[in-house]
This record gives sequence, C-alpha cells and structure tokens, in this order.
Amino acid sequence: ELKVEQNPLFLSMQEGKNYTIYCNYSTTSDRLYWYRQDPGKSLESLFVLLSNGAVKQEGRLMASLDTKARLSTLHITAAVHDLSATYFCAVDEDSSYKLIFGSGTRLLVRP
Amino acid sequence: GAVVSQHPSRVICKSGTSVKIECRSLDFQATTMFWYRQFPKKSLMLMATSNEGSKATYEQGVEKDKFLINHASLTLSTLTVTSAHPEDSSFYICSARSSASGTSGNTIYFGEGSWLTVV
Repeated sequence: ELKVEQNPLFLSMQEGKNYTIYCNYSTTSDRLYWYRQDPGKSLESLFVLLSNGAVKQEGRLMASLDTKARLSTLHITAAVHDLSATYFCAVDEDSSYKLIFGSGTRLLVRP
Repeated sequence: GAVVSQHPSRVICKSGTSVKIECRSLDFQATTMFWYRQFPKKSLMLMATSNEGSKATYEQGVEKDKFLINHASLTLSTLTVTSAHPEDSSFYICSARSSASGTSGNTIYFGEGSWLTVV
C-alpha cells in the first residue's frame, strides 16, 4: 500500500526566508504532483514531476524529484505573504492517475 | 486550459435524504474521473474511480451503496450521497485527466469542490 508522508505539517516563516517541504513515498512511482490549496478552495496545480532528477521552477517555488530516494522537495525562496496556503504532494499509484495525497503542509508567511 | 466544473458548490440537506454532485470536464473528454473527500484541516482521501460506461471502482472502506457513482458520458460523472447523515458532511472534490498527448496529458485537473452539510 502506497504511503505518502509530508513534513513539516505546519510551517511558520518570515517573509524573505527560504525553506523546504519534504515529501517521501513508500513505493516506486515516477509521477509526483504538487498542489496548493487556499482555505475553502479546491486544489491549484503547481508542478508535475515525471522523471528522476526532474526539477521545475515557477516564481519563488521550485520542486524536484528523486525517484531512487522516493523523495520530492518543494523549495520556497524569499517567501512572501501571498504564498501562505496549504501545500500537498500527491503520488500517482500504479500510473493510473489515481492520486494518494500527503498530509499537507500548512504554510504561514509572517510579515 | 482544461477546466473541470463541479455543481453545486455548496449544498445543505436533511438527514436521510440524498444529494447529487456533478463533475463535468468542460473542454476535454475524460474516460476516467476520480472522487475525493476532504474533512476540515485534513488531506484528500480517494473514494472511488469513476469509469465511463462501466461500474465505478471503490477504495477500501468506502460504501458503494451509499456513494453512488454514475459516469454516463465522457464529460460527466455524478456522485450521489444516499441517506445522508451528518458524518457525511465534507468537502467533495472530483478530478479528471485530459487524454491529450504530451505534457498536458499528465496533468490532473480538479473541480472547484462541493461543500456538503447534512443537518
């Protein structure tokens, strides 16, 4: 059974600082997704990572995938308040597009 | 870009009644859609895989007679919560994958979600 673990669960950081969210998963998969969720809203797609060593960047966010270590990271550079949200990683179980989600990381960026 | 639309966005129903939630892919065909539920401050849990023209596949622990799924066309899947109880109150989200080739074919689009409150 595929398990996806995210840490930290909660992250409070100051504006301008850098930090990394980690996503570990338990079985082989070559498709990993990162999503953002604002309170009361659905999911916004951030990144799709499809292969070992994949790195994608959008603004202050950068995601990477190491399939051998079964680890993905979401790095935040020079955080701003607008990045406050909950971030989820999700792994595609058996390439079926059926997603198993991590527990989520609630990010609060303080002025 | 591709859009998945859910309706209604919010619904309140009485205990014992049934409520239907629709999930539509607006500009692409989706042979497979997925239904998730999310409790407040929790993660998303996969409930079932909706297959166009055939029976849905339910995850372990999800009652198929309580959560009826119908995927009658390539753009519409419905989730009916039957004999709803207050513990069924949750945020229900559907997703669909575009069958387009290339990178966009690996993108999974989520609907806006439907808040269900059972009173």
